[in-house]
Amino acid sequence: AQSVTQLGSHVSVSEGALVLLRCNYSSSVPPYLFWYVQYPNQGLQLLLKYTSAATLVKGINGFEAEFKKSETSFHLTKPSAHMSDAAEYFCAVRDQAGTALIFGKGTTLSVSS
Amino acid sequence: GAGVSQSPSNKVTEKGKDVELRCDPISGHTALYWYRQSLGQGLEFLIYFQGNSAPDKSGLPSDRFSAERTGGSVSTLTIQRTQQEDSAVYLCASSSLVSLTGELFFGEGSRLTVL
Repeated sequence: AQSVTQLGSHVSVSEGALVLLRCNYSSSVPPYLFWYVQYPNQGLQLLLKYTSAATLVKGINGFEAEFKKSETSFHLTKPSAHMSDAAEYFCAVRDQAGTALIFGKGTTLSVSS
Repeated sequence: GAGVSQSPSNKVTEKGKDVELRCDPISGHTALYWYRQSLGQGLEFLIYFQGNSAPDKSGLPSDRFSAERTGGSVSTLTIQRTQQEDSAVYLCASSSLVSLTGELFFGEGSRLTVL
């Protein structure tokens, strides 16, 4: 069964600094990978997804993620953090057999001025 | 409606009581998910309905939890004999089955508090 591990339940950065949120997956078959974001007091929304078309995926709000099969990773990055990026970020995986979408435990991103 | 609708938004109940949580997915979406969100646990998968196929119930934590989906639309999650550890936000999401990479659209959740 597939699973994801998000390293670091809480990440703190300064405004303008690089954001790096880590996600490693486990799947016996080629996976589809996703990042979702939950802003305070809001529902979850899709940030970006990997569907095997390209290993570097660009999403909304300047975020991107790179699929690395050799490292079984799908880390989320943003070159320069904004205060508005403060939120909880979830990595998720499903396999190409169409099983359920499985989420990691989330990483809370704090951005200080 | 335009989005996924969940009710009630808040539910406070006493230990041992049964509760029902309702989800109304986006019209035309054939896939429906239930997740539980609690502090430090992220989103725990509970159950997945995919069109007319048998639901994937592998995430249900105990036999006190059950869910049904009537007419391929509205879903109800039932928790029998609630326990304090059932306190959490229960999220419903729906998606189109056109693509396995399709986005899940989430409701705002039902916050359950078991006293």
